[in-house]
Amino acid sequence: AQSVTQLDSHVSVSEGTPVLLRCNYSSSYSPSLFWYVQHPNKGLQLLLKYTSAATLVKGINGFEAEFKKSETSFHLTKPSAHMSDAAEYFCVVSLNFGNEKLTFGTGTRLTIIP
Amino acid sequence: DGGITQSPKYLFRKEGQNVTLSCEQNLNHDAMYWYRQDPGQGLRLIYYSQIVNDFQKGDIAEGYSVSREKKESFPLTVTSAQKNPTAFYLCASSMRLSPFEQYFGPGTRLTVT
Repeated sequence: AQSVTQLDSHVSVSEGTPVLLRCNYSSSYSPSLFWYVQHPNKGLQLLLKYTSAATLVKGINGFEAEFKKSETSFHLTKPSAHMSDAAEYFCVVSLNFGNEKLTFGTGTRLTIIP
Repeated sequence: DGGITQSPKYLFRKEGQNVTLSCEQNLNHDAMYWYRQDPGQGLRLIYYSQIVNDFQKGDIAEGYSVSREKKESFPLTVTSAQKNPTAFYLCASSMRLSPFEQYFGPGTRLTVT
């Protein structure tokens, strides 16, 4: 079984300040983890993925995430927020074998304050 | 450009009518998926297919049907048996089944009154 919890439904930060979106996962086996971004009324775009290689994963648009097995976390960070980062972010978990499904978190809405 | 197209972007139907949502991909992906998105609930899997002429139920398949006659096409029919069909529907594809990342279409917003 697998599950994912996004700890904040809404995060607001000022433009130019750091972003932290928190995600905890539960998985019976070694997981793959993803972060997706969704702008209003659009499809989802992959930001980054972890698949058991380096624990610090760099993605597009300056985002990165660190896989911490001991804390079962995969938090998303960015050093400096931009207005274009305003969107909904989804943390997603999948098993590395024998499972056809991705399990999505409920999403975190990121608001950027000018 | 490779990608996934969904049509139409907005769809309105009267209660009791079946409606079919289109999904086409030119990524040469084997696997395709349909998700439903409701506010505050993330994405829920309706159906998925890993190969032509084969598909499997996801978590919320009741009231929906699919077909996979061609590799590039995976249409979803929302039937009159679906009790609460108004939602945002997303189609996705991946090279194989998980853990490969999925690529998403722009979505279709269905409103049933």
